[in-house]
Amino acid sequence: DVKVTQSSRYLVKRTGEKVFLECVQDMDHENMFWYRQDPGLGLRLIYFSYDVKMKEKGDIPEGYSVSREKKERFSLILESASTNQTSMYLCASKDSPRETQYFGPGTRLLVL
Amino acid sequence: QKEVEQDPGPLSVPEGAIVSLNCTYSNSAFQYFMWYRQYSRKGPELLMYTYSSGNKEDGRFTAQVDKSSKYISLFIRDSQPSDSATYLCAMRTIIQGAQKLVFGQGTRLTINP
Repeated sequence: DVKVTQSSRYLVKRTGEKVFLECVQDMDHENMFWYRQDPGLGLRLIYFSYDVKMKEKGDIPEGYSVSREKKERFSLILESASTNQTSMYLCASKDSPRETQYFGPGTRLLVL
Repeated sequence: QKEVEQDPGPLSVPEGAIVSLNCTYSNSAFQYFMWYRQYSRKGPELLMYTYSSGNKEDGRFTAQVDKSSKYISLFIRDSQPSDSATYLCAMRTIIQGAQKLVFGQGTRLTINP
């Protein structure tokens, strides 16, 4: 059974803080993704990674960075949190030849 | 115009009804078509996926793709209260050699006992 875990379910941070969101998958998947989900906008891709130390920008990378030092772990970093980054953040992973992305439970981030 | 359009609802139907959920898209390069189900406070989980035009059935669920009209549907027969969730359509394309999923907004569905 594929498992994708995210470090926190809920986070409250202040404007300007540096925020780390961690994602771990246990299925040795090559591909990992970070999305944010907002009402009326659906899921939007922030960054993805197809291998260790590799990263690609998604549709809305501004204000975010990522790190993939180990295959099972993909971190999303908000360098200086802003109120417009209040959102639900979802991590997903995928085995290369397959189509299915497996999602974590999400982190609901509130930036005050 | 969004690449994928999905009515956000909410949609509320009585138990046992047939539910029809739909998405339209504009990019003819989309290939794989998927439906994800997302329960409240959970991540999305894949429900069904299909590649070609036509129907694909899995239990009470049927996914339908009409590439000529750029229209996909998910039908739920004999709907149950446990089907209450947000349903997201998603479509895969390849941009600069990388696979990318584009999601619809999601339709919030409630099945009333």
